[in-house]
Amino acid sequence: QQQVKQSPQSLIVQKGGISIINCAYENTAFDYFPWYQQFPGKGPALLIAIRPDVSEKKEGRFTISFNKSAKQFSLHIMDSQPGDSATYFCAASSSADSWGKFQFGAGTQVVVTP
Amino acid sequence: SAVISQKPSRDICQRGTSLTIQCQVDSQVTMMFWYRQQPGQSLTLIATANQGSEATYESGFVIDKFPISRPNLTFSTLTVSNMSPEDSSIYLCSVGQISGNTIYFGEGSWLTVV
Repeated sequence: QQQVKQSPQSLIVQKGGISIINCAYENTAFDYFPWYQQFPGKGPALLIAIRPDVSEKKEGRFTISFNKSAKQFSLHIMDSQPGDSATYFCAASSSADSWGKFQFGAGTQVVVTP
Repeated sequence: SAVISQKPSRDICQRGTSLTIQCQVDSQVTMMFWYRQQPGQSLTLIATANQGSEATYESGFVIDKFPISRPNLTFSTLTVSNMSPEDSSIYLCSVGQISGNTIYFGEGSWLTVV
C-alpha cells in the first residue's frame, strides 16, 4: 500500500495565487521529507526538504509546513508563476531503514494559468 | 549535486527484446538506485545498485528481468529483459551520498515497447 498519501491529484491556480499540496504518512519512523518537482520529459529535481524537528522551512517562494502529531506535511507555493507548472512529488524516508529507500506520493499536477 | 547522465534518453523497442540503460555520474557517489515511473504515475524503486556485488531488489522486481551492474562508483547499467508493452516506462537513475540526506535523479530513459 502507498505509505505516503498525496492530495490533490491535480491543481489549477491563477498566476500570483497560492498552491497547496498535502501529504500524510503513517510510519512514525520517517524522519526526512523531501519534495521533488518534475517537468514533462525531465527527471524529478529536489525542491526543498524538511526534518521533523522543525515545523516550517522556507526557500524563496516555496514553504514546507510540517505537523508531526498529525503526521502531515504540505508544500505551499506562494505567488505561483506559469513556470511553476509541473508535477510535484512528496517523499519520505527513515534513517532506521536502508539508506535511500524513499516512499513517494502519487504526485500532484499543478497548472498555473496566466 | 552531481551531474547524472542517462543513455538512451528515449527508445522504441520491439516486444521480446532487451535494452540496457546506462547511468554515468560526474563524481563518485556512494549510493546508486534505479527507479521506474510508469506513465502518469509515481516513482517506484526497482533496486539498489551495489558496487562490485549483486544489486538489492525490491519486492516485485527480479534480477532475471532487471539485471543491474555497477562496476565502479560513477557508473551503473540497468537492463530491461524480454520486454513487453507493460515495461513501457521512464527508468530513472538516482544517486546519493551516504553522508547526506537525499537522492538526485537523472533525466530518465523513456522506453516504449511495441
